[in-house]
Amino acid sequence: RKEVEQDPGPFNVPEGATVAFNCTYSNSASQSFFWYRQDCRKEPKLLMSVYSSGNEDGRFTAQLNRASQYISLLIRDSKLSDSATYLCAMSEGTAGNKLTFGGGTRVLVKP
Amino acid sequence: DAGITQSPRHKVTETGTPVTLRCHQTENHRYMYWYRQDPGHGLRLIHYSYGVKDTDKGEVSDGYSVSRSKTEDFLLTLESATSSQTSVYFCAISEGGLAGRYEQYFGPGTRLTVT
Repeated sequence: RKEVEQDPGPFNVPEGATVAFNCTYSNSASQSFFWYRQDCRKEPKLLMSVYSSGNEDGRFTAQLNRASQYISLLIRDSKLSDSATYLCAMSEGTAGNKLTFGGGTRVLVKP
Repeated sequence: DAGITQSPRHKVTETGTPVTLRCHQTENHRYMYWYRQDPGHGLRLIHYSYGVKDTDKGEVSDGYSVSRSKTEDFLLTLESATSSQTSVYFCAISEGGLAGRYEQYFGPGTRLTVT
């Protein structure tokens, strides 16, 4: 079993709709969580950090469920420009500040 | 955007030749990382650095070496390139330290093809 797992998708989303997807993790020592957005042939870009139970930034909301060991990302009022691959990552906060990444969830927003 | 550059951005090389990729940052961040990204494997850590001359292995370090002689530069060397090292290589930086900030910021990537 992979340490961090994501549904690869694609999630086909009508423009204006809400979409949510999860990232499950097996390491209960994970302390900090992140969502990155990656466009095709580009570098991952930090979308959101989660250090407690959740975080919200505009149309994007991240929720952490430590008991069930998953973190979710919800996108409201989806825009065509939200089409991308979303990577989750997490850190134990140990030496090296290393992150473990999931394989990514692809989201396609269609008119 | 974080001040991270990578060079070269694209490279084609032959099997058996040495290759060095450079990552340069202007953020004065303590931590630097090298990842490779391949279809079906996601981002995998090759090596990382937690200070000048301080480096450690990641998940997929075989066939790679690194050096960090200055805070701003982190070099990744493929001593003798193989076709299995064809990949996209990303450098990342992280502030870390007492601030407890574990976010990593990525450079634009280097596309390496080994023929």
